[in-house]
Amino acid sequence: EAQVTQNPRYLITVTGKKLTVTCSQNMNHEYMSWYRQDPGLGLRQIYYSMNVEVTDKGDVPEGYKVSRKEKRNFPLILESPSPNQTSLYFCASSSHRPDRSYEQYFGPGTRLTVT
Amino acid sequence: DAKTTQPNSMESNEEEPVHLPCNHSTISGTDYIHWYRQLPSQGPEYVIHGLTSNVNNRMASLAIAEDRKSSTLILHRATLRDAAVYYCILTFFSGNTPLVFGKGTRLSVIA
Repeated sequence: EAQVTQNPRYLITVTGKKLTVTCSQNMNHEYMSWYRQDPGLGLRQIYYSMNVEVTDKGDVPEGYKVSRKEKRNFPLILESPSPNQTSLYFCASSSHRPDRSYEQYFGPGTRLTVT
Repeated sequence: DAKTTQPNSMESNEEEPVHLPCNHSTISGTDYIHWYRQLPSQGPEYVIHGLTSNVNNRMASLAIAEDRKSSTLILHRATLRDAAVYYCILTFFSGNTPLVFGKGTRLSVIA
């Protein structure tokens, strides 16, 4: 089954304790990205990756890091989490299609609480 | 970026058709119209997309106005499982392909 998986699904942590949220896709997609969803603000892009070893900032990258060492994986790293990073996080992937149309596949989400 | 306008909420009876409108008066000729939906406690899910012509797939139909300034997502027979927030999004190919999600339309389906 084609899917994007995220782990963990729920996480409660304390300020300053480094954490990683994993994301993996089995569709051989080149493009992957991370979004966060907050009430009243909708979904906002954090980072994206066009391919292996190619990453770039989205709209709200402060406080986050990513890496893309393998095509299928795109982990989100919070080196020193703060309470304002409490949010619902989604990983997404899509293939590059030159006709400008594409579908993004989203993971189930990771609900992070930083106290 | 071209913006979209959708009603905040809509209600439908089960097994009746639902027409979800979207206005995008500043759309450019290279913008695709995408619809995603987000069911409660789930990630967004692709529904349908189109450029100029009407489109049909197993989930829904997309009707695009001739001037492309508006479109309508049509669910032919709403079920309780269709209750979700529906997002109308314009996209263009720029390398980075973020989806800009607005507030969407919250669809309630009544049994």
